Amino acid sequence: EVQLVESGGGLVKPGGSLRLSCAASGFTFSDFGMNWVRQAPGKGLEWVSSINPTSTYIYYADSLKGRFTISRDNAKNSLSLQINSLRAEDTAVYYCARSGAGRLQYYFDSWGQGSLVTVSS
Amino acid sequence: EIVLTQSPGTLSLSPGERATLSCRASQSVDSSHLAWYQQKPGQAPRLLIFGAASRATGIPDRFSGSASGTDFTLTISRLEPEDFAVYYCQQYGTSPWTFGQGTKVEIK
Repeated sequence: EVQLVESGGGLVKPGGSLRLSCAASGFTFSDFGMNWVRQAPGKGLEWVSSINPTSTYIYYADSLKGRFTISRDNAKNSLSLQINSLRAEDTAVYYCARSGAGRLQYYFDSWGQGSLVTVSS
Repeated sequence: EIVLTQSPGTLSLSPGERATLSCRASQSVDSSHLAWYQQKPGQAPRLLIFGAASRATGIPDRFSGSASGTDFTLTISRLEPEDFAVYYCQQYGTSPWTFGQGTKVEIK
């Protein structure tokens, strides 16, 4: 069974930094692209970033470039998202999600339970 | 970026009725790279459809997807009580991948 477990969320002051992690199990992690998707309270889904299995292709939402950094460690079956210069509008549940099988299949076939990030003074 | 517009915003139907949800793209979506998700309150989204018309593993056959140019449709043939939720479409043909704003299917 595919399992994705996010951690690292919490309350952060504006301008602060945070590192989210996602522990993956139940599948061959190094075979799949991985992603972060966020959802602000009461709002819709927003794609954040994607990384291919070998970390050679990395994509970010245009509005988030420069503050967000996605990375993965295939030896540890782990995905990370570093967020710097946090703003109130970054408050959201951040989901780790697996890409579909095959090349360039950036739909999301498995999701974690989400990690809440709250940016407030 | 490709903008996805979902309609209607809310669909009020009774169990057993047919639900038709629309997702219109602002430009062509490469290779029908369009997915549909279901989200219930307090839960993560669940993949229903990918490639515009392929059902994900374990998804009942009352869910179906179709495409015509830049118009995509999710149909639920007969609503079950557990189908009342919010539905999102997502395109993954051209970066940045984008979601529609969602359609809420509520009990009438």
